[in-house]
Amino acid sequence: QLQLQESGPGLVKPSETLSLTCTVSGGSISSTSSSWAWIRQPPGKDLEWIGNIYYSGSTNDNPSLKSRVTIFVDTSKNQFSLKLSSVTAADTAIYYCARYSRSLGYFDYWGQGTLVTVSS
Amino acid sequence: DIQMTQSPSSVSASVGDRVTITCRASQGIASWLAWYQQKPGNAPKLLIYTTSSLQTGVPSRFSGSGSGTDFTLTISSLQPEDFATYHCQQSKSFPLTFGGGTTVEIK
Repeated sequence: QLQLQESGPGLVKPSETLSLTCTVSGGSISSTSSSWAWIRQPPGKDLEWIGNIYYSGSTNDNPSLKSRVTIFVDTSKNQFSLKLSSVTAADTAIYYCARYSRSLGYFDYWGQGTLVTVSS
Repeated sequence: DIQMTQSPSSVSASVGDRVTITCRASQGIASWLAWYQQKPGNAPKLLIYTTSSLQTGVPSRFSGSGSGTDFTLTISSLQPEDFATYHCQQSKSFPLTFGGGTTVEIK
């Protein structure tokens, strides 16, 4: 059974960089049929897609985040990571990692989510 | 970007009721639509993909239909465990986008 687990600081100061890692277990991150995604949800609000990465390192990300996003993959550790720079209170959210089916366009496995609060 | 609009934003229903939720895309997305169920404190759970394909393990009381810009999720006979928030998501083009969610509440 595939499992995803987010890890990283739960509190980040304004203007600093948010860093999270997703560890994939029970399957290979090098699957050719999947890519790996970050999605966030401010408390009580809508889901927002942040970006996807393929095991080769190619990415798609959301232009609404104005180039603040970096997503990278470490196949040796079966992990992928998110960096979001210059954070503000608006970046406070539950951050989820998920597996994305490249052929059918859905997120079928999700991590439990981790709350990141931006505050001084 | 393709905007996804769900209606209603919330619905009150009773166990056994038939519930229909609508999702409208700002431009045609063919059948590239998925539905998720989210309960408080949990990650979303995939219910339906490519408009009408039921994910493995999802009860058959859930069904999806539509194409182009208008889509529906139907719960044929609401069960106690179905009270949750439902989200649609398009995968026709990047950026991937979600609807605003529909909360199904106990009447």
